[in-house]
Amino acid sequence: GAGVSQTPSNKVTEKGKYVELRCDPISGHTALYWYRQSLGQGPEFLIYFQGTGAADDSGLPNDRFFAVRPEGSVSTLKIQRTERGDSAVYLCASSLGLAGVSYGANVLTFGAGSRLTVL
Amino acid sequence: AQSVTQLGSHVSVSEGALVLLRCNYSSSVPPYLFWYVQYPNQGLQLLLKYTSAATLVKGINGFEAEFKKSETSFHLTKPSAHMSDAAEYFCAVRRASASKIIFGSGTRLSIRP
Repeated sequence: GAGVSQTPSNKVTEKGKYVELRCDPISGHTALYWYRQSLGQGPEFLIYFQGTGAADDSGLPNDRFFAVRPEGSVSTLKIQRTERGDSAVYLCASSLGLAGVSYGANVLTFGAGSRLTVL
Repeated sequence: AQSVTQLGSHVSVSEGALVLLRCNYSSSVPPYLFWYVQYPNQGLQLLLKYTSAATLVKGINGFEAEFKKSETSFHLTKPSAHMSDAAEYFCAVRRASASKIIFGSGTRLSIRP
């Protein structure tokens, strides 16, 4: 697609429930990122995919959080046993996954985010 | 470890005045640096990026930033503020060999008429 698409845009759930957030990246972008943004804070890195594999999941806060990208395109962020502290906007971004010296300059294109509210 | 510090969570300037948003980075190797803007109810958009080609970087909407290695800074400026510049601005850093981009906590820019 033309941009990064995230669904749902808003999700309200109860404490203890399971949620899935979906990200559809820009066509051809092999790199995909998930960030979490709490109110008044900057985006916090969660996980990065290069193709189908999670190249860096060091930002996942605990084992309740998991993400997949089975075919190297769409990704799903899964949160088990949600807690009130999980309430935030979950951002997805994608970029060209070019290797080499130009890699660091790759620009991330962000989606509009999925706002998760845990009651 | 790499990180960025944005001084001032909120900056208010008059329309037509100079905009200066401060960012200092911490990185053990020369980094890539970015400024992103987030307008109300919209996603993050890239304003500009530093990739070592030139220390003064020009971005969209009249913004520019200067990379100063001696000061480990990458401050964002605009000569004359416009009402439409009101938004949240984020400085971000990435090491050349690293995958993730680390964001600062953001600076909210308000423009007074």
